[in-house]
Amino acid sequence: SQKIEQNSEALNIQEGKTATLTCNYTNYSPAYLQWYRQDPGRGPVFLLLIRENEKEKRKERLKVTFDTTLKQSLFHITASQPADSATYLCAPANAGNNRKLIWGLGTSLAVNP
Amino acid sequence: GAGVSQSPRYKVAKRGQDVALRCDPISGHVSLFWYQQALGQGPEFLTYFQNEAQLDKSGLPSDRFFAERPEGSVSTLKIQRTQQEDSAVYLCASSFSTYQDSSYEQYFGPGTRLTVT
Repeated sequence: SQKIEQNSEALNIQEGKTATLTCNYTNYSPAYLQWYRQDPGRGPVFLLLIRENEKEKRKERLKVTFDTTLKQSLFHITASQPADSATYLCAPANAGNNRKLIWGLGTSLAVNP
Repeated sequence: GAGVSQSPRYKVAKRGQDVALRCDPISGHVSLFWYQQALGQGPEFLTYFQNEAQLDKSGLPSDRFFAERPEGSVSTLKIQRTQQEDSAVYLCASSFSTYQDSSYEQYFGPGTRLTVT
């Protein structure tokens, strides 16, 4: 069955450093992959989407890579800030008419001042 | 503009009761999704609508779960004869996308936290 794995341990980093979160998938060939942020008590918020033919995508301090050979996406936050503390979820998806997302468990990130 | 809204935000039901959870998507959004999220887990897909058509209900855990979107806007997720294992946050998301365009991102509501006692 399709399986999405993210860093199982919570990530604690110092403010100003780069946070790197990992998303690995098996038994799956997604056409694109999305990253979302979720704060406690709230729904996920869309951050970035990367397609299978794109190696890298950037948005402000965020960078996502997508390696279809390794079946892995990396999510980077540069110059991290305490406000970046949240749970980050990856969600690969197929192309086509059904846009449902299959989600990882999420990685909890804490940025310490 | 207004985002996705869900009501109620919190619901406590006694085991065996029926509940109805409402989702108001962003106006004009074609696609609507329901997800279930247990504590400390990622969301789990339940069902997907494109306008009023329910295109995928493969994630509904049992025949006690039923979803509808009769006019292609507001959606209701109904759970009959609730059980304790139904306790979770139920998230609704909407998206402008259809298979013909490339707007894939989903916009989520705050969720309804259901507790079955």
